[in-house]
Amino acid sequence: ETGVTQSPTHLIKTRGQQVTLRCSSQSGHNTVSWYQQALGQGPQFIFQYYREEENGRGNFPPRFSGLQFPNYSSELNVNALELDDSALYLCASSLAVGLAGYGLNTGELFFGEGSRLTVL
Amino acid sequence: DAKTTQPNSMESNEEEPVHLPCNHSTISGTDYIHWYRQLPSQGPEYVIHGLTSNVNNRMASLAIAEDRKSSTLILHRATLRDAAVYYCIPPDVQGGSEKLVFGKGTKLTVNP
Repeated sequence: ETGVTQSPTHLIKTRGQQVTLRCSSQSGHNTVSWYQQALGQGPQFIFQYYREEENGRGNFPPRFSGLQFPNYSSELNVNALELDDSALYLCASSLAVGLAGYGLNTGELFFGEGSRLTVL
Repeated sequence: DAKTTQPNSMESNEEEPVHLPCNHSTISGTDYIHWYRQLPSQGPEYVIHGLTSNVNNRMASLAIAEDRKSSTLILHRATLRDAAVYYCIPPDVQGGSEKLVFGKGTKLTVNP
């Protein structure tokens, strides 16, 4: 048990629809990272939120957006769903620490079990 | 960005040691090497990380080459539960902030 919970666990949408996925981070963690994992592939970094602000983004279009709330929980929103958006969406929480001269160290990631999205 | 090279798959027998290699020739001098694994139908889980010298924890050992261009994750006695995809991850530093970006990993099969 990582203490990271995601909802829903499974959902089915149709092309063009919008979806919101939720993540409750581990207590005391200030950072949430979202990943997309297509079948047979490694997780692909979507973006990271640190203290309620986006703190880095992978190669995903703007229709992928997110939020982090004051309690550090997070949402991932995907608009105008496409068939290729079908994947497992993983949330990971961590305690990022700013290190003088080294920037922000993400720390160990604690992953949830993921939300399986199917787009028809 | 540092890139990694790992074998696509490896096979081991139960209770034997397993050495999982990773090449990361472009890693910078201050980047830690992280290893995660993903069991079937689960999210990835942290295994170990290190900077220069060898590291040990209850799950595994990490041997880092002196030039830091490669590392080896060592499972001392493989169990069936160790069957997973193992990811070697040097961090991707964007704007002074470290992110962990996964590659394809090595799928480890453990035979009984």
